Amino acid sequence: SYELTQPPSVSVSPGQTASITCSGDKLGNKYVCWYQQKAGQSPALVIYQDSRRPSDIPERFSGSTSGNTATLTIRGTQAMDEADYYCQAWDSNTWVFGGGTKLTVL
Amino acid sequence: QVQLQESGPGLVKPSETLSLTCNVSGYSISSGYYWGWVRQPPGKGLLWIGSIYHSGNTYYNPSLKSRLSISLDTSKNQFSLRLSSVTAADTAVYFCARDGLDRTVIAFDSWGQGIRVTVSS
Repeated sequence: SYELTQPPSVSVSPGQTASITCSGDKLGNKYVCWYQQKAGQSPALVIYQDSRRPSDIPERFSGSTSGNTATLTIRGTQAMDEADYYCQAWDSNTWVFGGGTKLTVL
Repeated sequence: QVQLQESGPGLVKPSETLSLTCNVSGYSISSGYYWGWVRQPPGKGLLWIGSIYHSGNTYYNPSLKSRLSISLDTSKNQFSLRLSSVTAADTAVYFCARDGLDRTVIAFDSWGQGIRVTVSS
């Protein structure tokens, strides 16, 4: 079965840039989306189709894909961005989530 | 604006069937989109359970397929999940979501608040 691999944790200082990676076989050939999940809340879509941003998501969130790796980048990270982030892709009639990355802003 | 709300029992006995319903408001499920279920065990990540198209076509997670059934009730604008022969490993928060698999936004763009289900005798 298809797998997506994320680092368990990433730390960033306020105002700096955070990068969260997601790797999978031939991931560049699939559409990748990203979700933010704050403690006790439902996931919320922040990036779809690799790099598109829903209208209510701040411009500091961006996505890119190259080869087997997709990257979620948060520029000018704020304390409110502290959350778990999950990548997701569609493969062989199955949605697959990455294991999630806990972003700590300190 | 579409809204989703899960309902069902919060406690299910081992070997029994877990049944949940997702009520959708603000959008008619017969108009399009897939409609999906995702679960999250305590302290763990997200797992896609399955999705159903407005026409009734389904996609299931292979790891759950033998125990799983997802259905639609367009008259009530809701869709449902049935998972049989549950064990403690099925204890999780269950989310329903709108699945844009057939749309421009190929992602889960709206989510319910989630319902906590515990499997225990």
